Amino acid sequence: GIQVEQSPPDLILQEGANSTLRCNFSDSVNNLQWFHQNPWGQLINLFYIPSGTKQNGRLSATTVATERYSLLYISSSQTTDSGVYFCAVGSKLSFGAGTTVTVRA
Amino acid sequence: DVKVTQSSRYLVKRTGEKVFLECVQDMDHENMFWYRQDPGLGLRLIYFSYDVKMKEKGDIPEGYSVSREKKERFSLILESASTNQTSMYLCASSTLTGRHQPQHFGDGTRLSIL
Repeated sequence: GIQVEQSPPDLILQEGANSTLRCNFSDSVNNLQWFHQNPWGQLINLFYIPSGTKQNGRLSATTVATERYSLLYISSSQTTDSGVYFCAVGSKLSFGAGTTVTVRA
Repeated sequence: DVKVTQSSRYLVKRTGEKVFLECVQDMDHENMFWYRQDPGLGLRLIYFSYDVKMKEKGDIPEGYSVSREKKERFSLILESASTNQTSMYLCASSTLTGRHQPQHFGDGTRLSIL
């Protein structure tokens, strides 16, 4: 199956800081999604982004399909951004292990 | 908004019991999925279904079966529960209309097998 690697595994931010999360995948895909899992365990779909760039408020994502990676940008982070961010790819959605983000006030 | 509802938020069962986890979606989605989530491993796909009575094995189907008799409902069955099946179980659904669509997840069922 497709291998998905996310980095960094953990990220601690001061409120207001910007950050970049990375997702590398082992094969070409036509389906890539970013999710946020909040501290209560709920998984929220952030982006469906098999290629190109999308923005939603303070979050944006870029996928370079030819180079098999995707980036998630968090700008002006807030404490509510804390949680685990997952990248998932492929028709069956293979998930990476996630990046745990902690935003401190 | 899409609503994916899992029948229980927390569940405690005993080793050897037959366990049913239920999932219902209200958006007429063709695709439904069952994942389990364990610390450090992300989400792993157990089974998925792309239509009524259709199912395909995911990455870790051993010890599980599924049932999809109606389009809106997808059940995960632990035939004989074991302690290594203690985990968070997440159901998801999506539509497929010529291309992939965003997946929507339920709130999860935290299952403990004693």
